[in-house]
Amino acid sequence: AQSVSQHNHHVILSEAASLELGCNYSYGGTVNLFWYVQYPGQHLQLLLKYFSGDPLVKGIKGFEAEFIKSKFSFNLRKPSVQWSDTAEYFCAVNARTGGFKTIFGAGTRLFVKA
Amino acid sequence: KAGVTQTPRYLIKTRGQQVTLSCSPISGHRSVSWYQQTPGQGLQFLFEYFSETQRNKGNFPGRFSGRQFSNSRSEMNVSTLELGDSALYLCASSSLKDRGNGYTFGSGTRLTVV
Repeated sequence: AQSVSQHNHHVILSEAASLELGCNYSYGGTVNLFWYVQYPGQHLQLLLKYFSGDPLVKGIKGFEAEFIKSKFSFNLRKPSVQWSDTAEYFCAVNARTGGFKTIFGAGTRLFVKA
Repeated sequence: KAGVTQTPRYLIKTRGQQVTLSCSPISGHRSVSWYQQTPGQGLQFLFEYFSETQRNKGNFPGRFSGRQFSNSRSEMNVSTLELGDSALYLCASSSLKDRGNGYTFGSGTRLTVV
């Protein structure tokens, strides 16, 4: 069975600090990987995705993530966070052969101090 | 194009009652998945429907059920409500063509069981 582990439940940073949110998954087959973001009062939206090809993927708002297959990891990064990045971030995994079923991590709440 | 529409937005029910939630996916999307979101638990997968067939099911008791209609609209039903069923229920749609782009989520139905 697939599972997703996010290393930090809560992260507090000051503006301009660098961000790295850890995500590890367990699944032996080929996967699609996603990061979703939920801003306060808004619905979940896709931040970035890895499907195939270059393991370093870039998403919206300056976010990027690196897929390291040997470590089953898909960590999210941003060089310099802004107050508007305050949100909850979810890592998610979809097994290519398993329909659309996508397993989500428990989420990381990021608070950026202005 | 219109997004994923979930109705109602809010519900308050009493223990023991049953509830039906509705989801209309993006036009052309034939896959609908349901998730339960609670603080600290993240998103827990309930079930996935594609072309009126349930393709995947999560680890929820039989009180949770769903169905999908020929127009791709989906409903989920929870019978004999318990206090622990209080949560945000999210619907997400996708399509085979956009599979690598992940889900588009609705705003959710917030269910409170008293």
